[in-house]
Amino acid sequence: TQLLEQSPQFLSIQEGENLTVYCNSSSVFSSLQWYRQEPGEGPVLLVTVVTGGEVKKLKRLTFQFGDARKDSSLHITAAQPGDTGLYLCAGAQARDQFYFGTGTSLTVIP
Amino acid sequence: NAGVMQNPRHLVRRRGQEARLRCSPMKGHSHVYWYRQLPEEGLKFMVYLQKENIIDESGMPKERFSAEFPKEGPSILRIQQVVRGDSAAYFCASSPPAGEKETQYFGPGTRLLVL
Repeated sequence: TQLLEQSPQFLSIQEGENLTVYCNSSSVFSSLQWYRQEPGEGPVLLVTVVTGGEVKKLKRLTFQFGDARKDSSLHITAAQPGDTGLYLCAGAQARDQFYFGTGTSLTVIP
Repeated sequence: NAGVMQNPRHLVRRRGQEARLRCSPMKGHSHVYWYRQLPEEGLKFMVYLQKENIIDESGMPKERFSAEFPKEGPSILRIQQVVRGDSAAYFCASSPPAGEKETQYFGPGTRLLVL
């Protein structure tokens, strides 16, 4: 059973377009992380959100944690080729257990 | 401040051999997690350790796999009698002991290929 579902699984867009990636669950998390992973490398932490309804911005990336702390979204404005990678969400629960989403593979075409 | 270190980065083994994967957490971090990743897939939790203790090994196969995090030295993920299905990328992550512990920092991974 996959605790966190990400959509879409694959996304290919043109440079300059906007996109949104979703991370959904029926479980509540105490915090949620977003990572980006490039081929041959480990995941790199982008952001941690903790409070329900929280919105964090990182340059062209906007992260939102759902009010009920069950879901999250990542919005990228004016995507660039350097944004290409695998985006992973991970939810943390009280037992120090982290559950990773299924991943969204993003390709930004120049 | 060095990040999470893993070695080797690439490991080739023949079926039946043993694989030892090492992970040195970030300085000051006392929690270590091991994950497995297949191509184009997310991360699958294997085991969570603190110094000298296994906290949660629910994601690790009961046979052939073991993990330790000794008082001194790196955490070790050991796979005995490897089979082709063990071929994957294995990632280690560490987190601080308190306060920020809900954030994990990942190493570059060890890519295991079983021939």
